[in-house]
Amino acid sequence: DARVTQTPRHKVTEMGQEVTMRCQPILGHNTVFWYRQTMMQGLELLAYFRNRAPLDDSGMPKDRFSAEMPDATLATLKIQPSEPRDSAVYFCASGFDRGRGTEAFFGQGTRLTVV
Amino acid sequence: GDSVTQMEGPVTLSEEAFLTINCTYTATGYPSLFWYVQYPGEGLQLLLKATKADDKGSNKGFEATYRKETTSFHLEKGSVQVSDSAVYFCALRDDKIIFGKGTRLHILP
Repeated sequence: DARVTQTPRHKVTEMGQEVTMRCQPILGHNTVFWYRQTMMQGLELLAYFRNRAPLDDSGMPKDRFSAEMPDATLATLKIQPSEPRDSAVYFCASGFDRGRGTEAFFGQGTRLTVV
Repeated sequence: GDSVTQMEGPVTLSEEAFLTINCTYTATGYPSLFWYVQYPGEGLQLLLKATKADDKGSNKGFEATYRKETTSFHLEKGSVQVSDSAVYFCALRDDKIIFGKGTRLHILP
């Protein structure tokens, strides 16, 4: 049963610490999305990759956030330094672009709490 | 830019009631449209999709029709169950996927 795997599922950290969230996309998928979910803002797109190249990271605070795909089986989202306002659930999703209509499959999310 | 607007929640219904959750979109291109569902503590799951005008997506008794003339993709179900209680997201994809804010649905037994 293919699925997107995110680690860790939960993370509590102190303000100022570095946080790294990891995502293993479904094998064979060529697009990866990172979203942040909060009660106030809903689902915000942070970054979007196709064939490991970043296509859009306009939703990501550049001074502290970074997203990379070191290889096709791993995507990372880093926050350095973390702040309490970064507390949220972070979702990774992957899909295979074959023209219009391709959906994304979501992982279970990483619930981040910054204290 | 592209955007999705869906009705504010929460929506509370009794079991076996008829459900409609409204969704309208704004897009510069010709997007595909989706409904996702999120159960507590889980990620989003694709519920149904439509890729062109007048297409009807359907799954688990839910339906939505791509209406280009009204830029809408309303979600309907004829008889809801307690197990349908969740948060429902309307979304579009032209390039990246844009989501609405979600509608929380409560079904009372």
